[in-house]
Amino acid sequence: QVQLKESGPVLVQASETLSLTCTVSGFSLTNYGVIWVRQPPGKGLEWMGIIWRNGNTDYNSALKSRLSINRDTSKSQVFLKMNSLQTDDTAIYYCTSIDYWGQGVMVTVSS
Amino acid sequence: DVVLTQTPPTLSATIGQSVSISCRSSQSLLDSDGDTYLNWLLQRPGQSPQLLIYSVSNLESGVPNRFSGSGSETDFTLKISGVEAEDLGVYYCMQATHAPYTFGAGTKLELK
Repeated sequence: QVQLKESGPVLVQASETLSLTCTVSGFSLTNYGVIWVRQPPGKGLEWMGIIWRNGNTDYNSALKSRLSINRDTSKSQVFLKMNSLQTDDTAIYYCTSIDYWGQGVMVTVSS
Repeated sequence: DVVLTQTPPTLSATIGQSVSISCRSSQSLLDSDGDTYLNWLLQRPGQSPQLLIYSVSNLESGVPNRFSGSGSETDFTLKISGVEAEDLGVYYCMQATHAPYTFGAGTKLELK
């Protein structure tokens, strides 16, 4: 059974770095890419970036300068790091393979 | 980056009514491999999004066949033939042809 689950801090201070983990099961990261998507409260979905099955990455142009996505295939985990957080980075953060989605983690950036 | 424009932003429907949502792309979504990677997702209130249709017209497993997708190149449509109460929520188109991928702004389907 395919599952993705996000984990990480729910409250982060402005100017700090957000670190989130997506733990997957039911498939191998070497066979499928994983995408990070976020959704500010009451707003639409924003595609953040992807780590492809070969380990290459692509990022949203607007976030590229402060975002990185990595993985540990042995642990079936994908990592998101985003620095210089601001209050408008407050959002639900999802990891997804598009056909399967995590439950999301609500991250609040406090000033 | 590819811009996806969804219309209408809000759609009011009665149960049993058929409705359509449009998604227009700022550039062709036909990939060099011959496929067109335009997907449709539904986000019900308080839930994670779920994939309904992939590659324009392919129904994801378990999705009712009252949902259908059509279109090509830059113009795409999602049709619901007979809205049911469980269909209420926000619909998003998403393109996966050109990196970075992008989403439309969403169409909220509500009861009239």
